[in-house]
Amino acid sequence: DGGITQSPKYLFRKEGQNVTLSCEQNLNHDAMYWYRQDPGQGLRLIYYSQIVNDFQKGDIAEGYSVSREKKESFPLTVTSAQKNPTAFYLCASSITKGTSGRAYPGELFFGEGSRLTVL
Amino acid sequence: RKEVEQDPGPFNVPEGATVAFNCTYSNSASQSFFWYRQDCRKEPKLLMSVYSSGNEDGRFTAQLNRASQYISLLIRDSKLSDSATYLCVVNIRRGGNQFYFGTGTSLTVIP
Repeated sequence: DGGITQSPKYLFRKEGQNVTLSCEQNLNHDAMYWYRQDPGQGLRLIYYSQIVNDFQKGDIAEGYSVSREKKESFPLTVTSAQKNPTAFYLCASSITKGTSGRAYPGELFFGEGSRLTVL
Repeated sequence: RKEVEQDPGPFNVPEGATVAFNCTYSNSASQSFFWYRQDCRKEPKLLMSVYSSGNEDGRFTAQLNRASQYISLLIRDSKLSDSATYLCVVNIRRGGNQFYFGTGTSLTVIP
């Protein structure tokens, strides 16, 4: 079945360590996104990529890095520069619907999330 | 000012009740609108897309008012299984397609 796979589901990290969260999709979607969710808060955009080899910072990109070398993959690295990395991380993808001149963005499809805890 | 604002609730309603959630957005260039459902410690899942003035799917009705910049979700005949957090999501074309989320509205349906 098509979908988005995130790994690992749970991750514990010591302060000062970099960690990379994996996100793979087989939906053939062009756009991919990384969000962070903290308790009682909405999802906040970290990075997004509209096409391969291109990505843009979201609202809270500091302390994170991404790459988009393949259409199917959009890994997120949480660096030691991220001051408060403990959170629930969600990867998503979307496809543009409609035809040229009347295209509109389709809905987001999410992976199951990765829960990162810094010890 | 936040791009998307929702009443966080919580809404506690008895089974069979009708409940409505509202969501406002600030950017008039917003293109697409969605309601997602999120269960505790799970990923959000699409409940409804709202592309025109509104649409209905069984017990759920979503409406869009572009003039007033708000979206609503109506749930009729509430079930225990409807207990979840409901997220309002708005898409804005800004350097690419960006999706903005409300903080979510918590619903608990009581037996």
